[in-house]
Amino acid sequence: DIQMTQSPSSLSASVGDRVTITCRASQSITIYLNWYQQKPGKAPKLLIYAASSLQSGVPSRFSGSGSGTDFTLTISSLQPEDFASYYCQQTYSTSKYTFGQGTKLEIK
Amino acid sequence: EVQLVQSGAEVKKPGESLKISCKGSGYSFTSYWIGWVRQMPGKGLEWMGIIYPGDSDTRYSPSFQGQVTISADKSISTAYLQWSSLEASDTAMYYCARHTVTGANAMDVWGQGTTVTVSS
Repeated sequence: DIQMTQSPSSLSASVGDRVTITCRASQSITIYLNWYQQKPGKAPKLLIYAASSLQSGVPSRFSGSGSGTDFTLTISSLQPEDFASYYCQQTYSTSKYTFGQGTKLEIK
Repeated sequence: EVQLVQSGAEVKKPGESLKISCKGSGYSFTSYWIGWVRQMPGKGLEWMGIIYPGDSDTRYSPSFQGQVTISADKSISTAYLQWSSLEASDTAMYYCARHTVTGANAMDVWGQGTTVTVSS
């Protein structure tokens, strides 16, 4: 199975900061990489699909990049509502999709 | 409005069976894969498996193969996740979500989640 490794597992930042979360796949997944945001007690929300495409309705301060095995999610200027957990997910391996372990973004 | 609505919270005893549901509306239910995701208390997301309601083609993550059964009834636009004999370790929140057709198979619409508690 394809393993997804996210880093860091937790991160403290301030409003207005630029934040980057990375996700590494154990083998090439081309651009079959998605990013989700989850707030406490809520269902996950799709932010980025196909590595760099912004889901409709998601603010443009979120962006994604990468291909092959290395990917990043960047939040250009943190807003109070962005403090949440973030997960990457590979959807390359047919019907054996896997998530990263998650990154918890906390207020400094 | 495209939405997935899941059945309510369940409290069960070890060894009991359970079937939870996920009803789709606002789109062609038979044209999109539906996936299930587990989130154990305080932990991350785990992808369990998917079903294509159009023909009931079903695939499972190796971690969940044989542990759960995924099914669907396209006549009522509903997918299901079931257990034949629950264990305490099945205590978790379970989400269903729609996989996109064109967007790298991402999960673009999510249900609100069903909490399953297994305790003697």
